[in-house]
Amino acid sequence: DIQMTQSPSSLSASVGDRVTITCRASQGISNYLAWFQQKPGKAPKSLIYAASTLESGVPSKFSGSGSGTDFTLTISSLQPEDFVTYYCQQYNSYPLTFGGGTKVEIK
Amino acid sequence: EVQLLESGGGLVQPGGSLRLSCAASGFTFSNYAMIWVRQPPGKGLEWVSIITGSGGSTDYADSVKGRFTISRDNSKNTLYLLMNSLRADDTAVYYCAKQKWELRTASDSWGQGTLVTVSS
Repeated sequence: DIQMTQSPSSLSASVGDRVTITCRASQGISNYLAWFQQKPGKAPKSLIYAASTLESGVPSKFSGSGSGTDFTLTISSLQPEDFVTYYCQQYNSYPLTFGGGTKVEIK
Repeated sequence: EVQLLESGGGLVQPGGSLRLSCAASGFTFSNYAMIWVRQPPGKGLEWVSIITGSGGSTDYADSVKGRFTISRDNSKNTLYLLMNSLRADDTAVYYCAKQKWELRTASDSWGQGTLVTVSS
């Protein structure tokens, strides 16, 4: 199974800050990497697929990059609604596996 | 607009069974693979199972293999998850999600989830 290591597990930031979350795969997954946002008590929401392609309707303050084993999600200019939890997921092979999540908290 | 609505969750005793449903609308259901993902209380996301658009191919996480069965009825636009021999560690919110096409594609739409609690 491919292990997805997401870091940090939590971070504190201020409104307007730019933050970067990292996801590392235990083996190469090309660009078969997705990012999800989850608000408390809600279903995940798809943000990015193919490592860097934004889902329709997702604001351009979200961006993704990477290929192979190392990936990043960057959120520019954090707004109050962005202080939630983010997950990466590889879909290169089964079982699909998720990172452990990154909780973005207000400083 | 894609809509996915799960149902069938509830409280069940260890060793019991439950069948979850996911009613889909807003897209041609039979053209897309579907997955189930679960989230134990306060924990992260865990993939459970996938089924191709035709229903001809399925796969499962090792943690549920042999106990859970995924299926779909394309005439009813509905996805199912039959869960047998339930254990306490199966307690979670279960989400269904639509894939962008078939295997090796990302999820793009999620249901609101249904809570399964396994407890005596």
